[in-house]
Amino acid sequence: NAGVTQTPKFRILKIGQSMTLQCTQDMNHNYMYWYRQDPGMGLKLIYYSVGAGITDKGEVPNGYNVSRSTTEDFPLRLELAAPSQTSVYFCASSSLTGPRNTIYFGEGSWLTVV
Amino acid sequence: ELKVEQNPLFLSMQEGKNYTIYCNYSTTSDRLYWYRQDPGKSLESLFVLLSNGAVKQEGRLMASLDTKARLSTLHITAAVHDLSATYFCAVDMVGGFFGTGTSLTVIP
Repeated sequence: NAGVTQTPKFRILKIGQSMTLQCTQDMNHNYMYWYRQDPGMGLKLIYYSVGAGITDKGEVPNGYNVSRSTTEDFPLRLELAAPSQTSVYFCASSSLTGPRNTIYFGEGSWLTVV
Repeated sequence: ELKVEQNPLFLSMQEGKNYTIYCNYSTTSDRLYWYRQDPGKSLESLFVLLSNGAVKQEGRLMASLDTKARLSTLHITAAVHDLSATYFCAVDMVGGFFGTGTSLTVIP
């Protein structure tokens, strides 16, 4: 019963490096989301997708890019990493059919930029 | 600017006591979520409140929604240590717009 799977769980990046956080879900959910959570704060939406081929910006999209080529996968790319991107990143998904009752979260990816 | 404010931000309470966490938001919404997060862990969905006057209960937690007042409450009854966690409310924009959380510690 996998749900939402994120990789890697931990990563240290040097300033200016790039990387991709992988996210996949096996619940056939249309909606997928990427959030970041800074220490002691709530989650902020980076990007979201309402289906394959459709993505849109959330509250804090600068410095990130996403793609949604399949229903299952929603990778988040960090270009030119900066210390301000040190955070915990959560991927999540929810269903389009019926009320969007529950958002299912992955376990999180801890990213440090040094 | 949309704001979602929770109070208190930190709460230390004794086992067996009752308390309420408040979530105020600044936009019209008829859908509000409550989540729990344990330290170093992901978020777990607790409640989804879908209409004005909605009330949901699970164990020692009860959540309610007043859309006219733009207020949701999470009431804790007879707290136990296992309820120690951070609790977030989120207003339903796409993906949810989250409050800053209430860190709850239940002490013996």
